[in-house]
Amino acid sequence: SQQGEEDPQALSIQEGENATMNCSYKTSINNLQWYRQNSGRGLVHLILIRSNEREKHSGRLRVTLDTSKKSSSLLITASRAADTASYFCATDAGGSYIPTFGRGTSLIVHP
Amino acid sequence: KAGVTQTPRYLIKTRGQQVTLSCSPISGHRSVSWYQQTPGQGLQFLFEYFSETQRNKGNFPGRFSGRQFSNSRSEMNVSTLELGDSALYLCASSSTGASSYEQYFGPGTRLTVT
Repeated sequence: SQQGEEDPQALSIQEGENATMNCSYKTSINNLQWYRQNSGRGLVHLILIRSNEREKHSGRLRVTLDTSKKSSSLLITASRAADTASYFCATDAGGSYIPTFGRGTSLIVHP
Repeated sequence: KAGVTQTPRYLIKTRGQQVTLSCSPISGHRSVSWYQQTPGQGLQFLFEYFSETQRNKGNFPGRFSGRQFSNSRSEMNVSTLELGDSALYLCASSSTGASSYEQYFGPGTRLTVT
């Protein structure tokens, strides 16, 4: 089974709304990363958050990490149609340094 | 700086054949990782090369192999292709490692096995 699992699997919102997606994982991690993938293309790195960090911001993106709950969330504020993509979290099961990706959240932002 | 490039972008092969995919990392990056992406299994780690040495390996059969050259360019080979090998193969480079630092992904090679 996957180390990281995103929730929800799919999310459909209107432009201007906020989008929140969550990632849960099973074992302790060194860091957690969020990536975006536009349809059938390569992944784009969004944010890396280390296990000793609780929150990071990058532009309209906000990532939180709760190691006690083994979960992370990605918030996209004031979403745009161009944010339409699949979003993945990637974790390394502590010590392995092999990133494991979840199944992703498919986000559709309607103009 | 040029991004990660992968060739070819699309490939159609027949069951039983072999295939070689190529990846050129971002200049200065020494780590190259390969991933397989399918609708059923999602994104799965194949292997990582660093300075011409395989540093990490995922859970794939021996039909999947790779190598890295002194200029950090990497190739991935799949022998005796099976229908289930149809997938998007992604290559990613980073300055130090697959997990510790952000990876930069190429556009992928779409392999179809018939």
